[in-house]
Amino acid sequence: DIQMTQSPSSLSASVGDRVTFTCRASQNILRLLAWYQQKPGKAPRLLIYKASTLESGVPSRFSGSGSGTEFTLTISSLQPDDFATYYCQQYYGYSGTFGQGTKVEIK
Amino acid sequence: EEQLVQSGAEVKKPGESLKISCKGSGYSFTNYWIGWVRQMPGKGLEWMGIIYPGDSETRYSPSCQGQVTISVDKSINTAYLQWSSLKASDTAIYYCARVKPPTPEDGFDIWGQGTMVSVSS
Repeated sequence: DIQMTQSPSSLSASVGDRVTFTCRASQNILRLLAWYQQKPGKAPRLLIYKASTLESGVPSRFSGSGSGTEFTLTISSLQPDDFATYYCQQYYGYSGTFGQGTKVEIK
Repeated sequence: EEQLVQSGAEVKKPGESLKISCKGSGYSFTNYWIGWVRQMPGKGLEWMGIIYPGDSETRYSPSCQGQVTISVDKSINTAYLQWSSLKASDTAIYYCARVKPPTPEDGFDIWGQGTMVSVSS
């Protein structure tokens, strides 16, 4: 079973900040990684797939990078609508695992 | 509009059985893998398994194998998640979600609204 570890588990930031989260896989997953945003009481929303491809309709301030076992999600300029929890998910080998999430809070 | 609509909230007792549903519309249901994701109260997301409506091929996470059954009725564009004997630890929100085509190796691009399942004596 592939394990996904996200860091940090939470962070405080201000509007306009550049923020970066990390997701590490326990084995090589190539670029088979997605990032999601979830707000309280809502279903998750796909932001990035195949490690760096922006989902249609997602603002360009979101970007993803990485391959193998280490991946990052960057928000170039944090907006009020971005305060939420972010999850990575690997989908290698017809299975899937989510990371434990990173909660972004207002500073 | 492409969407997944899930069945309503359920309140059950331990040992009871349950089947919740997820109906797809606005796209070719049989051509996209559908997955189920669990979110226990205040916790993160857990990938449970996926099914291909075209031929009912199913894959489970190791922790869910044998604990739940994922099925589909392609004649009515509906996927199901069922339990034969619920436990209190099954209390969670369950989401269905569509896998981006063309293979099962991709993210979930469309999500249902979630079904809250509460299990308590």
